[in-house]
Amino acid sequence: EVQLVESGGGLVKPGGSLRLSCAASGFTFSSYSMNWVRQAPGKGLEWVSSISSSSSYIYYADSVKGRFTISRDNAKNSLYLQMNSLRAEDTAVYYCAGEVATTSLDYWGQGTLVTVSS
Amino acid sequence: AIQMTQSPSSLSASVGDRVTITCRASQGIRNDLGWYQQKPGKAPKLLIYAASSLQSGVPSRFSGSGSGTDFTLTISSLQPEDFATYYCLQDYNYPRTFGGGTKVEIK
Repeated sequence: EVQLVESGGGLVKPGGSLRLSCAASGFTFSSYSMNWVRQAPGKGLEWVSSISSSSSYIYYADSVKGRFTISRDNAKNSLYLQMNSLRAEDTAVYYCAGEVATTSLDYWGQGTLVTVSS
Repeated sequence: AIQMTQSPSSLSASVGDRVTITCRASQGIRNDLGWYQQKPGKAPKLLIYAASSLQSGVPSRFSGSGSGTDFTLTISSLQPEDFATYYCLQDYNYPRTFGGGTKVEIK
């Protein structure tokens, strides 16, 4: 069974940093692209970043470019999101999502809440 | 970035109704579109990929159509468990972009 489990969320002050992790199991993690998607409270979904299977291709939303860094460790079946210079508008539930069996985001974690507030 | 315009933003419907949600892309995206269902407090769930392919395990009352710029998600006979918010997502290029969502409520 495919499982994605996020961790690392919490309360952080504006300007601070946080590192999210996503532990993957039940599939060959190293073969598939992975993504981060977020959802601010009461708002819609926003794609944040994608990384290809071998980390050769990395993409970011303009809203996080230069502040967030996506990475993966295929040996540890883990996906990461390093978030720096956090702003109040980065407050959201962050989901990791994989493109495992289709061309879309077919597997999702349960999400981890990041709150940026003083 | 490609803009995805989803309509309506909300709708009220009864059990058994046929429901249609549309997504329009600001430029052609072939058939590189997925539809997602999200219930409160839960992660999104993929329903349709490649515009019209039904994801494994999803009931056949859900269907998708379209290509280029105009896409449709149809629920042929709305069931109580279908009351949720639905989103489209273009998989054509980066940055990927979601539609604004359609909340399907009980009439």
